[in-house]
Amino acid sequence: GAVVSQHPSWVICKSGTSVKIECRSLDFQATTMFWYRQFPKQSLMLMATSNEGSKATYEQGVEKDKFLINHASLTLSTLTVTSAHPEDSSFYICSARPGLAGGYNEQFFGPGTRLTVL
Amino acid sequence: AQSVTQLGSHVSVSEGALVLLRCNYSSSVPPYLFWYVQYPNQGLQLLLKYTSAATLVKGINGFEAEFKKSETSFHLTKPSAHMSDAAEYFCAVTRTSGNTPLVFGKGTRLSVIA
Repeated sequence: GAVVSQHPSWVICKSGTSVKIECRSLDFQATTMFWYRQFPKQSLMLMATSNEGSKATYEQGVEKDKFLINHASLTLSTLTVTSAHPEDSSFYICSARPGLAGGYNEQFFGPGTRLTVL
Repeated sequence: AQSVTQLGSHVSVSEGALVLLRCNYSSSVPPYLFWYVQYPNQGLQLLLKYTSAATLVKGINGFEAEFKKSETSFHLTKPSAHMSDAAEYFCAVTRTSGNTPLVFGKGTRLSVIA
């Protein structure tokens, strides 16, 4: 149980185009999803917190107009990188927290999406 | 605020030797602590977690970690390293409740020498 998928697993796009990454919780409902970014040989940095049915909360320094996050259902959150540039090339990882009342704060991670912008 | 410090960005051990990866945390509230492993170009795999039950936590692949409040530490150990243990390891902390994200350490790359 507690499986999170991401699609696509990797994507190559041209500079200036937009790319959408999907994060799905396959066997549980996720009231909260988190989006992280990881540069090569570095740690994961939180980009934003996404709650179902409400606007995402972005971390300081993350452009909300560039990284659009939508959490329209309890099993799906999407991250859209708009007008992508080479510096947006990175490994994007989502995590999902089950909406368990009284449950401890564990999150389950997706396998990541490798974005390369040419 | 919570934070994690992983001492040593790179640790190298011989196959069969003890693995010790260090993690110290800072938290103003009781923490939950996690160790994750990441293989190249893959996502994170949970090794083990501390959620305020037993202080000695056993995880997958023979790893274990001990929560020491007095030392604010949560070091990861394995008695005998295997070649397949070579990977990046991340320690993470979060609050015990609420929709709070994980805060990760910078990671420690483990190399295993034959």
